[in-house]
Amino acid sequence: AQSVTQPDIHITVSEGASLELRCNYSYGATPYLFWYVQSPGQGLQLLLKYFSGDTLVQGIKGFEAEFKRSQSSFNLRKPSVHWSDAAEYFCAVGVDPSYDKVIFGPGTSLSVIP
Amino acid sequence: DAMVIQNPRYQVTQFGKPVTLSCSQTLNHNVMYWYQQKSSQAPKLLFHYYDKDFNNEADTPDNFQSRRPNTSFCFLDIRSPGLGDAAMYLCATSRDFGSGAEETQYFGPGTRLLVL
Repeated sequence: AQSVTQPDIHITVSEGASLELRCNYSYGATPYLFWYVQSPGQGLQLLLKYFSGDTLVQGIKGFEAEFKRSQSSFNLRKPSVHWSDAAEYFCAVGVDPSYDKVIFGPGTSLSVIP
Repeated sequence: DAMVIQNPRYQVTQFGKPVTLSCSQTLNHNVMYWYQQKSSQAPKLLFHYYDKDFNNEADTPDNFQSRRPNTSFCFLDIRSPGLGDAAMYLCATSRDFGSGAEETQYFGPGTRLLVL
């Protein structure tokens, strides 16, 4: 069965420090992969997505992610975190090419220390 | 600029009293989705519409129904809300899908439902 894991429930980083959020997926075919961010009380905003091609994907707000097929991973990175990046981050995998269904990981909560 | 709009942002209902949440979109997307998100959990897909075709997830309770009268609007009806139905309900849209289609879901801000 398809699944998405995010090993870190909560991460705290200092402002200006680098960030890496981990995501692993289980899916038999080539996955469509997404990272979404959710601020408290808000909907989800797409940060970036991978469908094919270059395995290093650039997104909004200075985020990037790298697809590593051999490790079934799609980790999210940012070189310098801002206080406004504090939010919940969800990794998701698109599991059915015939329609746009995605499965979300459990999320990683990011706190940023001034 | 709003693309996916959900009203109201907060809804309070009583145990067992039917409630309807609404979603509208200005994107003219064919597909609309409803998710339930409980506190500190990932969104869980309840069902989706592709145009007028309704697709229910296997584990969605019968208590949850949906209507899509036209392309722009989609409603989530909870016939008899229980305390366990208190959650954030997220609406999302995507343009289309098909083999190889590179589609993305766009989410609304959500409606937080409180059941008293």
